Amino acid sequence: EAGVVQSPRYKIIEKKQPVAFWCNPISGHNTLYWYRQNLGQGPELLIRYENEEAVDDSQLPKDRFSAERLKGVDSTLKIQPAELGDSAVYLCASSPGTGVTSTDTQYFGPGTRLTVL
Amino acid sequence: GQQVMQIPQYQHVQEGEDFTTYCNSSTTLSNIQWYKQRPGGHPVFLIQLVKSGEVKKQKRLTFQFGEAKKNSSLHITATQTTDVGTYFCAEMEPRPNNSGGSNYKLTFGKGTLLTVNP
Repeated sequence: EAGVVQSPRYKIIEKKQPVAFWCNPISGHNTLYWYRQNLGQGPELLIRYENEEAVDDSQLPKDRFSAERLKGVDSTLKIQPAELGDSAVYLCASSPGTGVTSTDTQYFGPGTRLTVL
Repeated sequence: GQQVMQIPQYQHVQEGEDFTTYCNSSTTLSNIQWYKQRPGGHPVFLIQLVKSGEVKKQKRLTFQFGEAKKNSSLHITATQTTDVGTYFCAEMEPRPNNSGGSNYKLTFGKGTLLTVNP
């Protein structure tokens, strides 16, 4: 079974430029998460989707960050414009999350390492 | 949400020595998960602890949940070079889902970086 797929793996941009990350979760997983991980820190949740609905985006900086999961499968995370402080690894994770008894394990993708110059 | 504090931040051991990392909270935790992240890699799920005083073992790894559910620990017996990486605890905060059940929001600690000298 394929794991969570993310692209690109690495991205270097200049500040004020836009950037987008793509995630394909494990097949059949209804719940999708975007995290940001700064160097030496644990991942921090940005947004959580159930199917195509963003059910928790309280920690997403909405002035410059946006995300979508139009068909409830793939998702994109966008930053526009990027700032120096956005340099981090952006991780996507998915979990089955079906029905009343959701499975608790989250499966992480390899991440996109963003460097803003 | 509440924060979980992990100590130590770094630990360097000789191969064969034991290693322990601790996860502490000032308030009662719902459930705890532990993850391992290899250098340059992504977090990989290790275990979930739910019950007060719970102890689970995976080969050389022993996970404990405190009686008051305010702390947890991960102990590795006789470390090997393959144990190198950062170990994170994460508090699972229940969030209702659209199906009438719950999903969980994970709040990660800062992790403990383990290095092993062969």
